[in-house]
Amino acid sequence: ETGVTQSPTHLIKTRGQQVTLRCSSQSGHNTVSWYQQALGQGPQFIFQYYREEENGRGNFPPRFSGLQFPNYSSELNVNALELDDSALYLCASSPLGGAYEQYFGPGTRLTVT
Amino acid sequence: SQKIEQNSEALNIQEGKTATLTCNYTNYSPAYLQWYRQDPGRGPVFLLLIRENEKEKRKERLKVTFDTTLKQSLFHITASQPADSATYLCALLFSGGYNKLIFGAGTRLAVHP
Repeated sequence: ETGVTQSPTHLIKTRGQQVTLRCSSQSGHNTVSWYQQALGQGPQFIFQYYREEENGRGNFPPRFSGLQFPNYSSELNVNALELDDSALYLCASSPLGGAYEQYFGPGTRLTVT
Repeated sequence: SQKIEQNSEALNIQEGKTATLTCNYTNYSPAYLQWYRQDPGRGPVFLLLIRENEKEKRKERLKVTFDTTLKQSLFHITASQPADSATYLCALLFSGGYNKLIFGAGTRLAVHP
């Protein structure tokens, strides 16, 4: 069974640029959630995708957007990067309707300079 | 305001002792509470889930209690080992809609030989 994978591992961008982060969900999982984790803090929910549609959103501006593909993989896009966007971005998959635990990937460390 | 509080200071204990971590929350009514382990630079790993109508849950050396009146969960690791050293996150989950986790900031546990 393949776990959740994310790419890239690390990324450095300049303020104002755009970034795309990718996630492959665990086999059999049809729901993907994205979280932002600042240093020393717990993960904060960005949004969730189910059946290729956004299924819930946290307190993040519209410049944070996402996609889910038919194979349940997902992308997180962030436009007009700000310095405060520097964080670890985590993707988590789960089988909606069954167990409620989420399975996290290793994360993408984004640094905005 | 809504808050989830975990001990911000690191917990240092001797190998073999029981570690007890606390999670308090205010102005939430979660249906479930989860505990995750996070190692530096890695994504959180699910440990235990407890439902609002359950008082206690055990898994091997781990025990979780959930008091919805006190709005508190306690997480115990018995016979602790240096390999248990990590940050432990509590997360609230609400029924209905989608599986949005709300995390505390975590408590760092250090088990010394």
